[in-house]
Amino acid sequence: DTGVSQNPRHKITKRGQNVTFRCDPISEHNRLYWYRQTLGQGPEFLTYFQNEAQLEKSRLLSDRFSAERPKGSFSTLEIQRTEQGDSAMYLCASSLGISGNEQFFGPGTRLTVL
Amino acid sequence: GQNIDQPTEMTATEGAIVQINCTYQTSGFNGLFWYQQHAGEAPTFLSYNVLDGLEEKGRFSSFLSRSKGYSYLLLKELQMKDSASYLCAVHSSASKIIFGSGTRLSIRP
Repeated sequence: DTGVSQNPRHKITKRGQNVTFRCDPISEHNRLYWYRQTLGQGPEFLTYFQNEAQLEKSRLLSDRFSAERPKGSFSTLEIQRTEQGDSAMYLCASSLGISGNEQFFGPGTRLTVL
Repeated sequence: GQNIDQPTEMTATEGAIVQINCTYQTSGFNGLFWYQQHAGEAPTFLSYNVLDGLEEKGRFSSFLSRSKGYSYLLLKELQMKDSASYLCAVHSSASKIIFGSGTRLSIRP
């Protein structure tokens, strides 16, 4: 399967714990995006990388959230001191070069904070 | 501000035609996406409109009017598998896509 992959698919954690999610984009895609989606809503943009550079961050991304893409390939999203409001589906997407190109989404990581 | 409006829910009959409308007000506009999302799954790309007019792709067509801030997705010959949420999304900047809340479409036999 050469699509976008995300791990883990599900994560249950206790409030206050740190969690880290991984996204592996389609190999030739240089753009990578993180979104958060709650039930009944569309995905909300969190952050965007072009290669290894993080070019844009949403105001939704508080200080507890950090994302990296160290070698311009896979990316990680870390949430520190999780809160119940962080419970959501975290989606990763990748696209190739030219702006406006189709974004391919991964299956998502569903986070439940107890 | 950024605002994308689409109906929350719609119901249609198998074999029929349905039109899902989307209106938007965003600070930037490069194009408009439509995505399909089945429950519990990731969104999948349906269409991307940059210029005004209708673009047809099989049973699905998408229309855009930039001056009116309006788009619609037209689904023909509806099948049960078309039951899903349909997300309207504006490509507002080089990197940012703003999604609407989605329209949950139910197809009845």
